[in-house]
Amino acid sequence: DAKTTQPTSMDCAEGRAANLPCNHSTISGNEYVYWYRQIHSQGPQYIIHGLKNNETNEMASLIITEDRKSSTLILPHATLRDTAVYYCVGRPLDDKIIFGKGTRLHILP
Amino acid sequence: NAGVTQTPKFRVLKTGQSMTLLCAQDMNHEYMYWYRQDPGMGLRLIHYSVGEGTTAKGEVPDGYNVSRLKKQNFLLGLESAAPSQTSVYFCASRPLTSGRRIRDEQFFGPGTRLTVL
Repeated sequence: DAKTTQPTSMDCAEGRAANLPCNHSTISGNEYVYWYRQIHSQGPQYIIHGLKNNETNEMASLIITEDRKSSTLILPHATLRDTAVYYCVGRPLDDKIIFGKGTRLHILP
Repeated sequence: NAGVTQTPKFRVLKTGQSMTLLCAQDMNHEYMYWYRQDPGMGLRLIHYSVGEGTTAKGEVPDGYNVSRLKKQNFLLGLESAAPSQTSVYFCASRPLTSGRRIRDEQFFGPGTRLTVL
């Protein structure tokens, strides 16, 4: 039932920018897109969210396409500690928040 | 603040036994959620609650029941445990905010690792 699709895994060299794509072509116009990451077996942690404008915070940047059908999470200078599973999640009005399988990001030394 | 806590952290059950997982949050959050995570499956929503006294079904509700008698607690019950319910269970809570642009993300607990033999 997940409304988002992401690549299963990605590699990125340490120090380089990690760009994680997400397809969310079926989310509604008022549905925010949230990104979380899960390190090892811990609970997921919030990274960033947005609706239709690009967003930036101390952790990452979020680029949302003008048609809102996809977005990209950017970790500008990836470190080994960024190795995790990253989830792109829609926030529907009924609050039935469904996660997909996420992208497993490997940061290579 | 302790945030979101889950009890117990680990549990081993035999098939057919029952148990209750407790999720507690001290952030006065309105919304609470139960997810399960199996290897390679991501998180799947079991049940959720949009306020005290309310519950709703998620993606995989069969075999589970929930109750939200107090705002700070969300209980997940397994009436007759099955090996297919072996999983890691995560609870999450989220505040009610007036503006959706406001940061109102889910806060997750550390998880409960359940094995059903």
